[in-house]
Amino acid sequence: AQTVTQSQPEMSVQEAETVTLSCTYDTSESNYYLFWYKQPPSRQMILVIRQEAYKQQNATENRFSVNFQKAAKSFSLKISDSQLGDTAMYFCAFMKQRDSSYKLIFGSGTRLLVRP
Amino acid sequence: DAGITQSPRHKVTETGTPVTLRCHQTENHRYMYWYRQDPGHGLRLIHYSYGVKDTDKGEVSDGYSVSRSKTEDFLLTLESATSSQTSVYFCAIGTGQGASYEQYFGPGTRLTVT
Repeated sequence: AQTVTQSQPEMSVQEAETVTLSCTYDTSESNYYLFWYKQPPSRQMILVIRQEAYKQQNATENRFSVNFQKAAKSFSLKISDSQLGDTAMYFCAFMKQRDSSYKLIFGSGTRLLVRP
Repeated sequence: DAGITQSPRHKVTETGTPVTLRCHQTENHRYMYWYRQDPGHGLRLIHYSYGVKDTDKGEVSDGYSVSRSKTEDFLLTLESATSSQTSVYFCAIGTGQGASYEQYFGPGTRLTVT
């Protein structure tokens, strides 16, 4: 069975600084997808970024980038130039490529506070 | 916005009463999911559906049942609510395939069982 671990329950960062959120996962699969979701106080879940395991290049979306280390089973999220609107819960999620039901397995989340 | 609504948005009910939560989508997506969110646990899958009348269990399905009689509606039922089912419930739809796959989430329903 696959598991996803987010070892940082809470983090804080000063506005305009950079912060990295950690995520590790356990799987015997070789092909899979990884996701970071953001949940602001509004409670809406928003996809931030995704990574295909077969791609060596790290995904980037504007100020958000990942450090994907397949051998270490690590998938960290880096937020550059943090903004107050980045304050949210962040969830890491895993999906097997060969799962025909496309089920996501989520970590327990990291609460990020951006301080002004 | 993938056209997902959930109803009700908030509900308080008593232990032992039946509760049904509704998820409605407007775009005829095949895959739909019900999650619960609890502090320290993230989102955990309760049940999912891969078509009309086609459903299966997730990791925390005990005490819950689902039905999908129409593509657009996915119902989650707590037959006899318990305090341990106090939670925030999210519905999601799956879109795309492979590398373009994404789940879109509804706004959530906060359920309190007293």
